[in-house]
Amino acid sequence: DAGITQSPRHKVTETGTPVTLRCHQTENHRYMYWYRQDPGHGLRLIHYSYGVKDTDKGEVSDGYSVSRSKTEDFLLTLESATSSQTSVYFCASRFGRDGYTFGSGTRLTVV
Amino acid sequence: AQRVTQPEKLLSVFKGAPVELKCNYSYSGSPELFWYVQYSRQRLQLLLRHISRESIKGFTADLNKGETSFHLKKPFAQEEDSAMYYCALDGGSQGNLIFGKGTKLSVKP
Repeated sequence: DAGITQSPRHKVTETGTPVTLRCHQTENHRYMYWYRQDPGHGLRLIHYSYGVKDTDKGEVSDGYSVSRSKTEDFLLTLESATSSQTSVYFCASRFGRDGYTFGSGTRLTVV
Repeated sequence: AQRVTQPEKLLSVFKGAPVELKCNYSYSGSPELFWYVQYSRQRLQLLLRHISRESIKGFTADLNKGETSFHLKKPFAQEEDSAMYYCALDGGSQGNLIFGKGTKLSVKP
C-alpha cells in the first residue's frame, strides 16, 4: 500500500545546508509524526502534528522544524544540517487509536 | 515516566525453535501496546496490537499487567521471520507511540 510516501528516498547533503524532507499521505489521517531511526536508539520522535498548522516537539527536536499546511503533507526541515543528523527518517500517520502507518523512510547522509 | 524496554538487542535462534522477544513497559494507566516488524531496509509494519488479540504470521503476544510485559512469541521460528522487532506503547497525549530500542531477530537455517 502506498498510503504514505516520503521523498526523497536518499539524500546526501553538506554540513550547514538546509534540507527538507517531505511526507505525503492519502489516508486523511489527522495525526502525523516524524521519527529518526538510529542503531542502538530505536525510533525517537522528532516532531508531530495533530492537525493543519498544529505541531509540537518530540524528544529530539533540536535542529529540526516542521510545517503542516495541508492535511496530507508534513514537512521536516533541518535548518542547518550537521553530521549528527545523519540518520534514517520515518514519517508516520495515524487514525484515531489505531496503530501507525509508516512511510518507507528517507536515508539522509550529512557529509 | 512512560518507557518501553526491550532488553535484547539481538536474538539468534535456529529454524523451528521457539522464539520469545521480550518487552517491558512503564505506564501508569491502562496501556495499549503494539508490536512492529521491520524487514531489511523496509518500512515498519504493524504486526499486532494487544487489543485485537490476533495471531499474525504465527506470532502472539499477551499483555501481563502484573509483570508489565508484552512479550512476543512464536512456537516455531522461520527464516523469513528474521527482522527487527519493535515494541511500542501508546502513551503520548497526542497519540504518539513510544518505541523500545528494538530487537534484531536472526533465524538460522
